[in-house]
Amino acid sequence: GAGVSQSPSNKVTEKGKDVELRCDPISGHTALYWYRQSLGQGLEFLIYFQGNSAPDKSGLPSDRFSAERTGGSVSTLTIQRTQQEDSAVYLCASSLDTVGEAFFGQGTRLTVV
Amino acid sequence: AQKVTQAQTEISVVEKEDVTLDCVYETRDTTYYLFWYKQPPSGELVFLIRRNSFDEQNEISGRYSWNFQKSTSSFNFTITASQVVDSAVYFCALGYWGKLQFGAGTQVVVTP
Repeated sequence: GAGVSQSPSNKVTEKGKDVELRCDPISGHTALYWYRQSLGQGLEFLIYFQGNSAPDKSGLPSDRFSAERTGGSVSTLTIQRTQQEDSAVYLCASSLDTVGEAFFGQGTRLTVV
Repeated sequence: AQKVTQAQTEISVVEKEDVTLDCVYETRDTTYYLFWYKQPPSGELVFLIRRNSFDEQNEISGRYSWNFQKSTSSFNFTITASQVVDSAVYFCALGYWGKLQFGAGTQVVVTP
């Protein structure tokens, strides 16, 4: 596609439920990133995929968070047993290489009630 | 540890005034990249500029210019002759290998 696509754009879930957030990067981009943006914490790095290398998971806040990238393209961020503090906008970005500019999607606004 | 500080929380200007956004960073890396991103009310982060740590040449691109000074670890960004459409939150970021450390952002409000 022309840009990074994220779905859903909005998600409301009950505390304790699992959620899956999807990211379709720009075609041909080898690097993919997930960030989280919340009022209290600003923009936080979560996880980074580059080609076939092992992902950098150093930003994941707890073991309830996981992500995978299938076929070097689409990525899914999964949050298990959601908590209210997980409420945030989850942003996905992709770039042509590891140091190129990252193009961000519109984000998924997650609200845990 | 890496850190990016944007001391200005909000800047309000009248259209056509210049706006300078401050950014100070900390890193122990010798190779790194610095970025400026814009986040308009629509929410999507828009890439503006990128510099690497070996290139301190300052440039102008349209109404945007930047001042990178490695000696003071600063990477300031200026919008010349601001327009209402420049109203947004501007983020400075520091990174390498895809992991960006963002500053808290500066809200720019441009009024007609």
